[in-house]
Amino acid sequence: AQSVTQLDSQVPVFEEAPVELRCNYSSSVSVYLFWYVQYPNQGLQLLLKYLSGSTLVKGINGFEAEFNKSQTSFHLRKPSVHISDTAEYFCAVRSTTLGGSNYKLTFGKGTLLTVNP
Amino acid sequence: GAVVSQHPSRVICKSGTSVKIECRSLDFQATTMFWYRQFPKKSLMLMATSNEGSKATYEQGVEKDKFLINHASLTLSTLTVTSAHPEDSSFYICSARATSGRTYEQFFGPGTRLTVL
Repeated sequence: AQSVTQLDSQVPVFEEAPVELRCNYSSSVSVYLFWYVQYPNQGLQLLLKYLSGSTLVKGINGFEAEFNKSQTSFHLRKPSVHISDTAEYFCAVRSTTLGGSNYKLTFGKGTLLTVNP
Repeated sequence: GAVVSQHPSRVICKSGTSVKIECRSLDFQATTMFWYRQFPKKSLMLMATSNEGSKATYEQGVEKDKFLINHASLTLSTLTVTSAHPEDSSFYICSARATSGRTYEQFFGPGTRLTVL
């Protein structure tokens, strides 16, 4: 079984400031890691993913995340945010094992990023 | 590519009626589709996993007789909320996993807002 902890439920920042949204996970097996963004009344859009290889992954809209296996973390960062980045951000994991219930995603509770002018 | 649609986007119904929500993968075939429920300010709660041609697997605590899931083809899954009550009001989101290619990823629909009066 896996669990995901997003340490901050809300993060307010000013426009053009850097931001980091924190995510820690717990799992007894190897996992893939994902960050999704959800704009109001919409579904989830994939920002970026870590499957294997380089621990620094780059995604859409200027976001990046770094996988730290020893700290079981996958924090999301952006060097300069825009008003349009205001949204809910979800960290998620799933097992790397194929088959059955292993395809299920386990989500964190989300972090609301609010970018103020 | 990898677009998932949901219909309707919003539905309002009277208590005691049934509501059907469709989830379609528009440009790929989906072996597995997932149904989530999202409460305000909360994360996504997986309700069930459906595989084409077989019975859905429900998560613990989800009433299978109330939330009927049918996955009749590789591009369509439906969720029927039977005898809906106000406590069933929520945002329902589906996702789909492709049969080939990016099978590690779930592609999410835009969600359906259900309001039961």
